[in-house]
Amino acid sequence: ETGVTQSPTHLIKTRGQQVTLRCSSQSGHNTVSWYQQALGQGPQFIFQYYREEENGRGNFPPRFSGLQFPNYSSELNVNALELDDSALYLCASSSASGSDTDTQYFGPGTRLTVL
Amino acid sequence: AQSVTQPDIHITVSEGASLELRCNYSYGATPYLFWYVQSPGQGLQLLLKYFSGDTLVQGIKGFEAEFKRSQSSFNLRKPSVHWSDAAEYFCAVGGAAGNKLTFGGGTRVLVKP
Repeated sequence: ETGVTQSPTHLIKTRGQQVTLRCSSQSGHNTVSWYQQALGQGPQFIFQYYREEENGRGNFPPRFSGLQFPNYSSELNVNALELDDSALYLCASSSASGSDTDTQYFGPGTRLTVL
Repeated sequence: AQSVTQPDIHITVSEGASLELRCNYSYGATPYLFWYVQSPGQGLQLLLKYFSGDTLVQGIKGFEAEFKRSQSSFNLRKPSVHWSDAAEYFCAVGGAAGNKLTFGGGTRVLVKP
């Protein structure tokens, strides 16, 4: 069974640029959630995708957007990067059915630095 | 609104000693509660979860947690810590349908030899 994978591992961008982060969900999982973890803080929910539709969103501006593909992998896009966007971005996958419903399993994260 | 408080930012414990990490939550319905561990620069690993049933739940790596509804708490314990338990620990609350998790600020555990 393959776990959650994310790419790239690290990324450096400058203010105003755009970035795309990628996530492959764990085998058998159809739901993907994205979290932002600033240094020294707990993760904060950005949004969740289920069946290629956004299924809940946290308190993040519209310049944070996402996609989910038919194979359940997902992208997080951030436009007009700001210095405060520097963080570890975590992807988590879960299944909406079965014995392990409602449990989110996390990938290793993408460390984004905005200069 | 849901929230999680982890009152202890840092805890230092000697190897072989017991460990207890505190977690208090606020949630308007039946909470789904989780403990995750994060090593430096890594993602989150699930230690254990509570949805319903027995209020004392066992997890991986010898950890256990007890759900106390009357105190809105879900404290994590380990009888004897190992040096490899040094990490940051996060408590989280969510609901049915597996949507958003709300995390506490984390507790960093240091293990003295």
